[in-house]
Amino acid sequence: AQSVTQLDSHVSVSEGTPVLLRCNYSSSYSPSLFWYVQHPNKGLQLLLKYTSAATLVKGINGFEAEFKKSETSFHLTKPSAHMSDAAEYFCVVSGGAGGTSYGKLTFGQGTILTVHP
Amino acid sequence: DTGVSQNPRHKITKRGQNVTFRCDPISEHNRLYWYRQTLGQGPEFLTYFQNEAQLEKSRLLSDRFSAERPKGSFSTLEIQRTEQGDSAMYLCASTIIPPGNQPQHFGDGTRLSIL
Repeated sequence: AQSVTQLDSHVSVSEGTPVLLRCNYSSSYSPSLFWYVQHPNKGLQLLLKYTSAATLVKGINGFEAEFKKSETSFHLTKPSAHMSDAAEYFCVVSGGAGGTSYGKLTFGQGTILTVHP
Repeated sequence: DTGVSQNPRHKITKRGQNVTFRCDPISEHNRLYWYRQTLGQGPEFLTYFQNEAQLEKSRLLSDRFSAERPKGSFSTLEIQRTEQGDSAMYLCASTIIPPGNQPQHFGDGTRLSIL
């Protein structure tokens, strides 16, 4: 079985300050991990993915995430928030080959990011 | 636009009516997923297809729900005798598997409101 826990339901930052969205995962097999962003009434857009290559993953719009196996974490960061970053962010795990969750996505509950001027 | 397309974007219907949603995946993608997202929650898996074969259905998918992908291209999701609890955003996603670590590409969803 696999699961994802996003540790904060809401995060509020000022424009130009760093962003940290926290995510812990559980997976029986070597997982793939993703962060998706969802703007109101829209589908989900892929920000970045980890697939067992480099542990520091760079994504679109200046976001990056670090895979830490010992901590089972995959936190999302951005050095400087922009107003357009305000949205809901989902941490997602996909099971590795050999497991019953192969290719299936399990989503966290989401973190709503608010950016103040 | 070669992304995943979902129609309609919004559907309002009375309780007890049947509704059908359509998803057109990215053309070369062999796997297609349906998810349901309720307010304040992350998407939850409903079912998926590998080409035209429906390989798994979630326990969330009651017998009022049926999905098809007749030619391995577009898919439809039908809900019969809709209930208030069916109100949600229904998302479709597609990808290529193998390998299993490819991201899924999502459509903008169909928002269903039951009166």
